[in-house]
Amino acid sequence: SYELTQAPSVSVSPGQTARITCSGDPLPNQYAFWYQQKPGQAPVLVIYKDSKRPSGIPERFSGSSSGTTVTLTISGVQAEDEADYFCQSADNSGYVFGTGTKVTVL
Amino acid sequence: QVQLVQSGAEVKKPGSSVRVSCRTSGGSFSTDTISWVRQAPGQGLEWMGRVIPLLRRAQYAQEFQDRVTITADEYTRTAYMELSSLRSDDTAIYFCARHHYCGADCYDALDTWGQGTVVNVSS
Repeated sequence: SYELTQAPSVSVSPGQTARITCSGDPLPNQYAFWYQQKPGQAPVLVIYKDSKRPSGIPERFSGSSSGTTVTLTISGVQAEDEADYFCQSADNSGYVFGTGTKVTVL
Repeated sequence: QVQLVQSGAEVKKPGSSVRVSCRTSGGSFSTDTISWVRQAPGQGLEWMGRVIPLLRRAQYAQEFQDRVTITADEYTRTAYMELSSLRSDDTAIYFCARHHYCGADCYDALDTWGQGTVVNVSS
């Protein structure tokens, strides 16, 4: 299996842009998914197939991919976006989750 | 709208087994795949395995292959995860999550999650 590496934490002021990266060797050949998890709650899917947004997810959430790195961007961060964010991908052995990034809204 | 409802919290002794259930409503259970993901206190997410009811087949993460059994009952629309030989480091929240079936080797986004089941392993 492989690892997906994320920075442990990101801090951002309200209205600014948060960028959360996830790096892993298989990412050029596999889709990535992103989940938001708030304390005491189950994860929520916010991006699928690198850059697609599920219905009900605000437009300020976007995803991109370049080589071995995928990025979740939150434009115009709001206080309610403070949460842990996990990337995820898969190979034929199953899913792998990233190490997680805690986003703090200052 | 698919919903997943899990069974309640469990307290177990080391060496015992635990069985957690995940009942689905809405959607088509037979064409879903149900995964199990756990999260130890203050830690990240860890995929344990999944069941594909359409194929009557389960797939497991290598780390759990010897201790976990994941099954599905199409009549009750319920998936089960049983973990044996419990240790203190199995203390975690266990989540079920689904995606629509897209092929035996297809791993799609987990678009719906259960509320989580706390399993506490303590002597």
